[in-house]
Amino acid sequence: QKEVEQNSGPLSVPEGAIASLNCTYSDRVSQSFFWYRQYSGKSPELIMSIYSNGDKEDGRFTAQLNKASQYVSLLIRDSQPSDSATYLCAVGGGSYIPTFGRGTSLIVHP
Amino acid sequence: SQTIHQWPATLVQPVGSPLSLECTVEGTSNPNLYWYRQAAGRGLQLLFYSVGIGQISSEVPQNLSASRPQDRQFILSSKKLLLSDSGFYLCAWDLMAGRETQYFGPGTRLLVL
Repeated sequence: QKEVEQNSGPLSVPEGAIASLNCTYSDRVSQSFFWYRQYSGKSPELIMSIYSNGDKEDGRFTAQLNKASQYVSLLIRDSQPSDSATYLCAVGGGSYIPTFGRGTSLIVHP
Repeated sequence: SQTIHQWPATLVQPVGSPLSLECTVEGTSNPNLYWYRQAAGRGLQLLFYSVGIGQISSEVPQNLSASRPQDRQFILSSKKLLLSDSGFYLCAWDLMAGRETQYFGPGTRLLVL
């Protein structure tokens, strides 16, 4: 059973702070890692994908992957109220369908 | 560019009534197609996936079924809805399962009364 764990939150951060979202996974052979953002009542949309150990940056977002520790995180710098959403971690690999975590609710307060 | 459509956007149905939700993808060929359900405050539950026309895999035994009559069309059906079928139904596609991004449709919100 492939498992992806996320703290459900809510994670509350002040505007302008760094939000750190974490995800652990159980399958060591996982190769592909995705972060999605889902606003209330809307469908998930991709923020970032990461495939190699280390950091990947895209604007205010940084994904960090540590395969040895089976850990992937998403950092949001200069958090804005518009970043308030649920963030879903998904883990895939080989030819199997990605497994989604249950998501972390982020609240950025002014 | 690729686009994924779902309809209807919202649906209110009585218990015991039938259901048909449709999903179509434009701008790509031979996609993998997926149906997920998301109950209020819950994660994504994979219901069905399809790697080609007529090929359907069921992840969760229940009163729902899926069909793929055309390459880019995926249909979710039920003969008799249950209260527990209420939720947010999402269709998604990708080209390489588990290795590339899944793209989600706008979703159908179903309320069974």
